[in-house]
Amino acid sequence: GDSVTQMEGPVTLSEEAFLTINCTYTATGYPSLFWYVQYPGEGLQLLLKATKADDKGSNKGFEATYRKETTSFHLEKGSVQVSDSAVYFCAPQGGSYIPTFGRGTSLIVHP
Amino acid sequence: NAGVTQTPKFQVLKTGQSMTLQCAQDMNHEYMSWYRQDPGMGLRLIHYSVGAGITDQGEVPNGYNVSRSTTEDFPLRLLSAAPSQTSVYFCASRGEGAGNYGYTFGSGTRLTVV
Repeated sequence: GDSVTQMEGPVTLSEEAFLTINCTYTATGYPSLFWYVQYPGEGLQLLLKATKADDKGSNKGFEATYRKETTSFHLEKGSVQVSDSAVYFCAPQGGSYIPTFGRGTSLIVHP
Repeated sequence: NAGVTQTPKFQVLKTGQSMTLQCAQDMNHEYMSWYRQDPGMGLRLIHYSVGAGITDQGEVPNGYNVSRSTTEDFPLRLLSAAPSQTSVYFCASRGEGAGNYGYTFGSGTRLTVV
């Protein structure tokens, strides 16, 4: 079945630092790729998506590019804020339309 | 507001008790799923449904039952609660169509079994 590997957390950064959270996946076929974010005490929210090779998904200053050749979908943000502190989940979604979630990466941003 | 509504938000059960976690969505979504979230384990799929009257097992279905009599509702039943079922449970839904639709999640039910 599909699987996802995310970098271990927590990732601790100072405000305005550059963020990268790595995600690689294995999947049959040609999945759509998603990043979800979970703020403390809440459910997951869709952050961004990409549906084909070389597509770049973006939202709220976050970006991720669908790299088919390396089966990766790394999340980046140029300047993080304290309000970005959350847990981030990478999730490929294939033909079954059921996403496979990684274990999540906790991000802590200090002022 | 449109979305996925889960009730209750918190619940404490004694071992062996039964209960139903409710999930309702008002977006006319065909796909609905139940997940449990445990520390260090990410989200694990319990059961899912691709439409009214159709359900299937996910990764960790043991101890849980579901039914889907309407498009809107997808309750999760614990028949005899065990401490191992202490977790945070999330319900999620998405619309039909191309695979590039993401899921909308509820705010979760935090369940403790003592």
